[in-house]
Amino acid sequence: GAVVSQHPSWVICKSGTSVKIECRSLDFQATTMFWYRQFPKQSLMLMATSNEGSKATYEQGVEKDKFLINHASLTLSTLTVTSAHPEDSSFYICSARVHSHHYGYTFGSGTRLTVV
Amino acid sequence: QKEVEQDPGPLSVPEGAIVSLNCTYSNSAFQYFMWYRQYSRKGPELLMYTYSSGNKEDGRFTAQVDKSSKYISLFIRDSQPSDSATYLCAMSAGGANNLFFGTGTRLTVIP
Repeated sequence: GAVVSQHPSWVICKSGTSVKIECRSLDFQATTMFWYRQFPKQSLMLMATSNEGSKATYEQGVEKDKFLINHASLTLSTLTVTSAHPEDSSFYICSARVHSHHYGYTFGSGTRLTVV
Repeated sequence: QKEVEQDPGPLSVPEGAIVSLNCTYSNSAFQYFMWYRQYSRKGPELLMYTYSSGNKEDGRFTAQVDKSSKYISLFIRDSQPSDSATYLCAMSAGGANNLFFGTGTRLTVIP
């Protein structure tokens, strides 16, 4: 089946530094990937939609200069949290739509970011 | 009003019990309904998928959709401790439309 590999699974960084999270589709091409954020005991909140070869579409309230998304190839999308602050600590999850399947949203395993 | 409403629980049941999880929604354009299971600190995994109204059964799991009431359910029979997880409902109008998630219900099955 379609697999999305997400790395790292967890990261601790200092305030003010940047962190890059990668999502790769392993056995299919993902023209569209989604980035979510999940706080403890809450549901997934869509941050942005990443389209290969074009600019990402950000949801209202999400700072595009802070959460940089790059989708340079059909198998790789990256999310960079720039100048991270403790309030950016969260669980970040990517997903990809498996082309031609309405229900084919495959999720990565998530990245737990802790900013100290 | 949220697009999708789901009781966050938590829900604790003894092993072997029948579990009922539910979501309501407001957007009548939703046609694709999914249930995801998420273990702690992991990404969600697709458990069940249903298109439009009706029932779908897969082993111990049954998904039901009632579009007239804008209500979906997931039933787990003979629940096992390994079923302990957070269950998220999700739905979409299809095509290029995004998924809308419920808040998730945390389930614990006690041995």
